[in-house]
Amino acid sequence: DQQVKQNSPSLSVQEGRISILNCDYTNSMFDYFLWYKKYPAEGPTFLISISSIKDKNEDGRFTVFLNKSAKHLSLHIVPSQPGDSAVYFCAASGGNNNDMRFGAGTRLTVKP
Amino acid sequence: DTEVTQTPKHLVMGMTNKKSLKCEQHMGHRAMYWYKQKAKKPPELMFVYSYEKLSINESVPSRFSPECPNSSLLNLHLHALQPEDSALYLCASSQVPGHFAIAPLHFGNGTRLTVT
Repeated sequence: DQQVKQNSPSLSVQEGRISILNCDYTNSMFDYFLWYKKYPAEGPTFLISISSIKDKNEDGRFTVFLNKSAKHLSLHIVPSQPGDSAVYFCAASGGNNNDMRFGAGTRLTVKP
Repeated sequence: DTEVTQTPKHLVMGMTNKKSLKCEQHMGHRAMYWYKQKAKKPPELMFVYSYEKLSINESVPSRFSPECPNSSLLNLHLHALQPEDSALYLCASSQVPGHFAIAPLHFGNGTRLTVT
């Protein structure tokens, strides 16, 4: 039962352009959403988060948008840089607050 | 640099072996987690320790046995594993159990386990 879904396993963009990574969820009890970034041979690192009381959160080049009615969130990276190339995981928590559910990840490749 | 340290980085074990995975953090975090990740799949929660007590066991088979000797250490004891248990095992910690709004997970680099 995959409650958090990232339907695009991979995404390739040109340096300087916008990267948009998408995530859908099914559990309406989720009230906090996070994005993690993972480089090869490293563990995931926290990138940015958003609470369900907001629809946008921005941190530098990274912006996360939340559409609660559609149960959809997206991560925008502008401008994209080659160092952003990594696997990005969407995660959600809520209800049982000791649990966090992850999507399968999207591999982003930013070409110079 | 990761502030959550996992050892070993790689482990190959037979189905009759007993081995342990170790995880250590010195950030004063009071919650520690074990996740299992198979290729192209999301990390799946296995266990959560809150204030050194087991608070979540996601119906994990008894061949996996967690242990939290103190607030800085988390072990995962392995016995009689199956080849399908081969995966990346990730340890994580957070400052406060749950409450991810103020205390996101910090992950280690994982242990790549192969069961032969």
